[in-house]
Amino acid sequence: EADIYQTPRYLVIGTGKKITLECSQTMGHDKMYWYQQDPGMELHLIHYSYGVNSTEKGDLSSESTVSRIRTEHFPLTLESARPSHTSQYLCASSRQADEKLFFGSGTQLSVL
Amino acid sequence: GNSVTQMEGPVTLSEEAFLTINCTYTATGYPSLFWYVQYPGEGLQLLLKATKADDKGSNKGFEATYRKETTSFHLEKGSVQVSDSAVYFCALTGIQGAQKLVFGQGTRLTINP
Repeated sequence: EADIYQTPRYLVIGTGKKITLECSQTMGHDKMYWYQQDPGMELHLIHYSYGVNSTEKGDLSSESTVSRIRTEHFPLTLESARPSHTSQYLCASSRQADEKLFFGSGTQLSVL
Repeated sequence: GNSVTQMEGPVTLSEEAFLTINCTYTATGYPSLFWYVQYPGEGLQLLLKATKADDKGSNKGFEATYRKETTSFHLEKGSVQVSDSAVYFCALTGIQGAQKLVFGQGTRLTINP
């Protein structure tokens, strides 16, 4: 049912590299989110967007940045990756007036 | 702010056992309540929801009732299957409105044949 896609599925990179995690949805949803999921499974909201050119920081401080130039696309960028950034990153979207979140399958990032 | 406390995991049961995963919440106003499920290697999916007191959400044999008097939304299933093995998250709408959910810490459930 969900039409929200994340790439890459897995990423292993060295410290100091710049990376972009991709997230796209084909449902026309206005609202999009990035969550960081720690090994204990807990989810932390790090960024969200209510529409094109709208981005907000979430509850957990993150060194990553996001952009929302097109409705369907919400990429997350780390300018200089560090081992502390190793985590699972989940992207989600929802309609403006609908509370149901649709999640992508996630990107497992490992920074060596 | 609004918060959710879930039953500590992991939980391990035998097939056909009765399941309860506890969830209690603290909230101002009248939040909507949700259960999401995350199967291995996948993102989260909405399992069920309830939007007002005494509402019962149900899906795939799972049920949860919005209890305002006890501020709870416990997840139950009468007879679990191996395929129910997953991580379950309780969630509620945050202060800033419906679109910013607050998640519990997740409960890992393993069902043995």
